Amino acid sequence: GAVVSQHPSWVICKSGTSVKIECRSLDFQATTMFWYRQFPKQSLMLMATSNEGSKATYEQGVEKDKFLINHASLTLSTLTVTSAHPEDSSFYICSVHTGSSYEQYFGPGTRLTVT
Amino acid sequence: AQSVTQLGSHVSVSEGALVLLRCNYSSSVPPYLFWYVQYPNQGLQLLLKYTSAATLVKGINDFEAEFKKSETSFHLTKPSAHMSDAAEYFCAVSDDGGFKTIFGAGTRLFVKA
Repeated sequence: GAVVSQHPSWVICKSGTSVKIECRSLDFQATTMFWYRQFPKQSLMLMATSNEGSKATYEQGVEKDKFLINHASLTLSTLTVTSAHPEDSSFYICSVHTGSSYEQYFGPGTRLTVT
Repeated sequence: AQSVTQLGSHVSVSEGALVLLRCNYSSSVPPYLFWYVQYPNQGLQLLLKYTSAATLVKGINDFEAEFKKSETSFHLTKPSAHMSDAAEYFCAVSDDGGFKTIFGAGTRLFVKA
């Protein structure tokens, strides 16, 4: 499998500021990572597929200029929420697909609260 | 297009009782199917997966699920519930080897002492 970490685990920011969330694959070189958001008591919604060395692929309805994704190395992908607003408050989870076991390995998630 | 329906947003069982969480899927190609568990404020952990091998899949912590193509179902069971099983459970489907994965709405399992 793959061990995935996220930093920070939780963050509180003021409306209008930007927040960066890191997703690291600790023991696997991941060409593909995924970013999800999860509202309270709801399921995971795929936001985008992060591809190392190329632009991310965003799902329909996700603003790519608001949710900036950078996958500059095989072990790190970052999600930056720009000009955050209270409605962006959510649980953000990343995952890694190793390509050989059909499953995704999830990070522990980042709780974002925008005040 | 793929989709997943989990029947019952909440399921409550007594400790030691059978756990049954229902999942039906829709996929235009032979699917890959997964069950994940999520504890509060944590990421998801894989319980088991179906990848076109045996239709009865055994996972961790005595969970198992049976793929029934005729019923398009992949229900999760456990013979005897433990208090530690209380969590949110997600059924998921993928038609491309687990890359693009669609998650169900989730079922919250409560275990009563």
